[in-house]
Amino acid sequence: KAGVTQTPRYLIKTRGQQVTLSCSPISGHRSVSWYQQTPGQGLQFLFEYFSETQRNKGNFPGRFSGRQFSNSRSEMNVSTLELGDSALYLCASSLEASGNSPLHFGNGTRLTVT
Amino acid sequence: GESVGLHLPTLSVQEGDNSIINCAYSNSASDYFIWYKQESGKGPQFIIDIRSNMDKRQGQRVTVLLNKTVKHLSLQIAATQPGDSAVYFCAELLGRGADKLIFGTGTRLQVFP
Repeated sequence: KAGVTQTPRYLIKTRGQQVTLSCSPISGHRSVSWYQQTPGQGLQFLFEYFSETQRNKGNFPGRFSGRQFSNSRSEMNVSTLELGDSALYLCASSLEASGNSPLHFGNGTRLTVT
Repeated sequence: GESVGLHLPTLSVQEGDNSIINCAYSNSASDYFIWYKQESGKGPQFIIDIRSNMDKRQGQRVTVLLNKTVKHLSLQIAATQPGDSAVYFCAELLGRGADKLIFGTGTRLQVFP
């Protein structure tokens, strides 16, 4: 069974631009969560989607948004990029809503903002 | 506030020895805990989980212990191998319905021959 797939693997953007990251969950998984990982802040929760609905949201500004499609694939978007948005963005899927089954992570998208 | 912390940022062990990675959590309402292993260039990999109605759970070469009285979680790795070298994170779920995993800062495990 294929794991969580994130594309692209690496991305370089300029301040002010926007970016869209993609995540394909493990087949059959209905929940997708997004996390931001930085050396200074560690792993921080962005949001979770289940059956195309956002179930939970972390403490990030509105520039960070996401969505989930009917096939459970998810995208997250960051608008008006700032230097501080440089991070590893991790997507995780779970069979059910998180809390009922463990999260399985992809290898992330490394975003660099210059 | 909510926090999950680790006692040691770096743990060095000799190959073949047992490793113990500790984690303290602050929210007594947390009822689900997970340990993850993250190798360089990869995402966190699920190792083992435990719910608050248990105090011990065993997997292959790993054991998680939960002490709710002192809000402490530990991961024990038996016969540590070079492939175990990674950063280990504990994570807590802030109760059913909250559905937000809070991760600790991580402990780097270094295995030397």
